[in-house]
Amino acid sequence: GAGVSQSPRYKVAKRGQDVALRCDPISGHVSLFWYQQALGQGPEFLTYFQNEAQLDKSGLPSDRFFAERPEGSVSTLKIQRTQQEDSAVYLCASSLYTGTGMIAGELFFGEGSRLTVL
Amino acid sequence: GQQVMQIPQYQHVQEGEDFTTYCNSSTTLSNIQWYKQRPGGHPVFLIQLVKSGEVKKQKRLTFQFGEAKKNSSLHITATQTTDVGTYFCAGNLRQGGADGLTFGKGTHLIIQP
Repeated sequence: GAGVSQSPRYKVAKRGQDVALRCDPISGHVSLFWYQQALGQGPEFLTYFQNEAQLDKSGLPSDRFFAERPEGSVSTLKIQRTQQEDSAVYLCASSLYTGTGMIAGELFFGEGSRLTVL
Repeated sequence: GQQVMQIPQYQHVQEGEDFTTYCNSSTTLSNIQWYKQRPGGHPVFLIQLVKSGEVKKQKRLTFQFGEAKKNSSLHITATQTTDVGTYFCAGNLRQGGADGLTFGKGTHLIIQP
């Protein structure tokens, strides 16, 4: 596709439910990032993939958060047993960055998935 | 927590006035990027600075990277209503690393016509 596509755009979950958020990056982009953005704040890094390898998951706030990118393209962010503090916009971004030694370039963000936990 | 600080958090200006936002890092940055996010939208890339002391211009926007590569600024000359939004700086905290850019909290630019 022309840009990064995320679904669903909006998700309302009851506390304790599991949710799955999908990201379809720009074709050919090796790197994929997930960010969490609370209202009025800057994006907070969650995790990073290079192809199918999850190279950095240091930003995941708890073991209830899990991300995968099994074929190096589409990625899914799963949140188990959602809590109210998980309410935020989850942004996916992809880039042409291919590895160490290269200056990280522009991130192309999707529109985000807005999660509201009641 | 975030290690990239931005000031001010909010800036109200009259249309036509200049605007500046400042970004400071607690550690040396390998590079810094600037993004703009319109209300209800997603961050959109503006520019990347890599070299110490680098200055880049895009029409009315001037970006600077400090000599020590720990600070940066974005200056907008003669603001227009289309400049409304939140401006974020974001840096790589590890040399050449793709640790995921660390974003500042942003500066919200509000323009009064």
